[in-house]
Amino acid sequence: EAGVTQFPSHSVIEKGQTVTLRCDPISGHDNLYWYRRVMGKEIKFLLHFVKESKQDESGMPNNRFLAERTGGTYSTLKVQPAELEDSGVYFCASSQQTGRTDTQYFGPGTRLTVL
Amino acid sequence: AQSVAQPEDQVNVAEGNPLTVKCTYSVSGNPYLFWYVQYPNRGLQFLLKYITGDNLVKGSYGFEAEFNKSQTSFHLKKPSALVSDSALYFCAGLTSGGSYIPTFGRGTSLIVHP
Repeated sequence: EAGVTQFPSHSVIEKGQTVTLRCDPISGHDNLYWYRRVMGKEIKFLLHFVKESKQDESGMPNNRFLAERTGGTYSTLKVQPAELEDSGVYFCASSQQTGRTDTQYFGPGTRLTVL
Repeated sequence: AQSVAQPEDQVNVAEGNPLTVKCTYSVSGNPYLFWYVQYPNRGLQFLLKYITGDNLVKGSYGFEAEFNKSQTSFHLKKPSALVSDSALYFCAGLTSGGSYIPTFGRGTSLIVHP
């Protein structure tokens, strides 16, 4: 069974540019989560999809971030325009159920560097 | 509110020695606690979780963790470290009555020396 995949693995862009990150969850997982880790800090929650619906987007930092999950399969996270403080590793995770005890399976992350 | 703390940024241990990576939590209800590991250039891999029951939880790759309610800790342990255990370890937790989104610690870099 394929795990969670993310693309690209690395992205280096200039301030003001746009970047789109993609996440493909484990097949059959309705729940998809985005997280971000800024260097040396905690992994912070960004948002949660259940199928194509946004269940919780309380962690999205501002309106420069737009997440979509059309069709309830893969998801994209767009940052437009990117700022220096957006640099970090963006993780995607998926789980079969929405529950506190359900294990979330993480992808390898996308390392975003904004210059 | 829930929080998870990993007091050590880095832990160094010699191969073959026991290792401990510390985690403490602060939650208002019954905690659910997790350990993840991130190997270089890889995603976070689930190691183990405590939901209820036995305080000693066994996980992948020979790791185990002990839930200690009185000390509000959930330290990760392994009896004999391997060089290949060198990685970044994250503790995460949430409360049974609160948000279903886990709170993560800052991560601890484990370095196992040959």
